[in-house]
Amino acid sequence: DAGITQSPRHKVTETGTPVTLRCHQTENHRYMYWYRQDPGHGLRLIHYSYGVKDTDKGEVSDGYSVSRSKTEDFLLTLESATSSQTSVYFCAISESAVNTEAFFGQGTRLTVV
Amino acid sequence: GIQVEQSPPDLILQEGANSTLRCNFSDSVNNLQWFHQNPWGQLINLFYIPSGTKQNGRLSATTVATERYSLLYISSSQTTDSGVYFCAVVREILTGGGNKLTFGTGTQLKVEL
Repeated sequence: DAGITQSPRHKVTETGTPVTLRCHQTENHRYMYWYRQDPGHGLRLIHYSYGVKDTDKGEVSDGYSVSRSKTEDFLLTLESATSSQTSVYFCAISESAVNTEAFFGQGTRLTVV
Repeated sequence: GIQVEQSPPDLILQEGANSTLRCNFSDSVNNLQWFHQNPWGQLINLFYIPSGTKQNGRLSATTVATERYSLLYISSSQTTDSGVYFCAVVREILTGGGNKLTFGTGTQLKVEL
């Protein structure tokens, strides 16, 4: 199994509070991604990183920011959580560009009340 | 964007039965993966198969890229095969070379004794 650890695994937070989710990898892969999974929408890309300090937006990036200060860590921050951000969040990694397999972490279930 | 459709949406099997899951995609792709999401929510890599045929134990997959479909075969199904099977394709290459996975809607499989 790919060495990907997400923390926390479960979190309940209140509307308006900031929340940070962490993804840690031990594979030294260059690319890291954050997806969210919602019923009826499948998994959708929030943000991704293609190197330390190199990040860009995905298709559902509003309300989220990311940071990558080290190869192994990719943080997802909800600046002010809303109920619409209740979801399961998955981190993924891939080794190189284009023709490469992606591996997913265990997921973080976030509930915003 | 690319459309990914999976069929059937739901499937109930008796243990020991065989099944075929289908993934159709609307445009050419750079790669394709099959995942199993188990009842605990974990996404497990099954196949990385942009074209051709691969086998892994009781599972095999075939992708015919020119005709824009992929098939996942499950033989001698077991209760542990239950869960959701996702097909995911890469059509869009992101800034910096990362891959955006576009997921299908999934096939919910239940294997009964």
